Amino acid sequence: SYELTQPPSVSVSPGQTARITCSGDALPRKYAYWYQQKSGQAPVLVIYEDSKRPSGIPERFSGSSSGTMATLTISGAQVEDEADYYCYSTDNSGNHSGNHRVFGRGTKLTVL
Amino acid sequence: DVQLVESGGGLVQPGRSLRLSCAASGFTFDDYAMHWVRQAPGKGLEWVSGISWNSGSIGYADSVKGRFTISRDNAKNSLYLQMNSLRAEDTALYYCAKEAPSPYPYFDYWGQGTLVTVSS
Repeated sequence: SYELTQPPSVSVSPGQTARITCSGDALPRKYAYWYQQKSGQAPVLVIYEDSKRPSGIPERFSGSSSGTMATLTISGAQVEDEADYYCYSTDNSGNHSGNHRVFGRGTKLTVL
Repeated sequence: DVQLVESGGGLVQPGRSLRLSCAASGFTFDDYAMHWVRQAPGKGLEWVSGISWNSGSIGYADSVKGRFTISRDNAKNSLYLQMNSLRAEDTALYYCAKEAPSPYPYFDYWGQGTLVTVSS
């Protein structure tokens, strides 16, 4: 089955730039989306269609995609950005129809 | 305001069944695809199943295909997940999630989840 691969953890100091990668064979053809999940809370979308930022998401969050890799960048990471981040995409691999979805395994971002 | 309220979780023995429900309000339910996403304790998010607005397109994760059945009742603004032959690895918090307006396939609203524990 189709997989999205993320590093388990990323650690930065406050004010530094954090980059979280997501690799997947279909990413050249499929958009990547990014969710932030803080402890005990439901996920929140921070990037859609590779690089677009939903309203209300701080400008320090940005996204990019090239080839089989998508990247979430947090420029000037803040302590409040400490969370788990998941990449997400659609899955049309094998006999999966258009309603299939897939999450990466998540990356724990530590800011301290 | 959009609200998604899951119910039906609980402790169940391996091999038994459970039916989850999600009551939706604050939006036109039959305009949107809906999904179930789960999260095992201390683990990541896993997409479980999705259903189109008219139930014409349904998908399941390989891990639940043949055991779980998703359905919806647009007259009742409700989403369901029938879970049969439950296994210990199905233990998770189950979220109901609303898909964003077409053509966006992401989830723009989530419930708070209902906990399913499969254990003898």
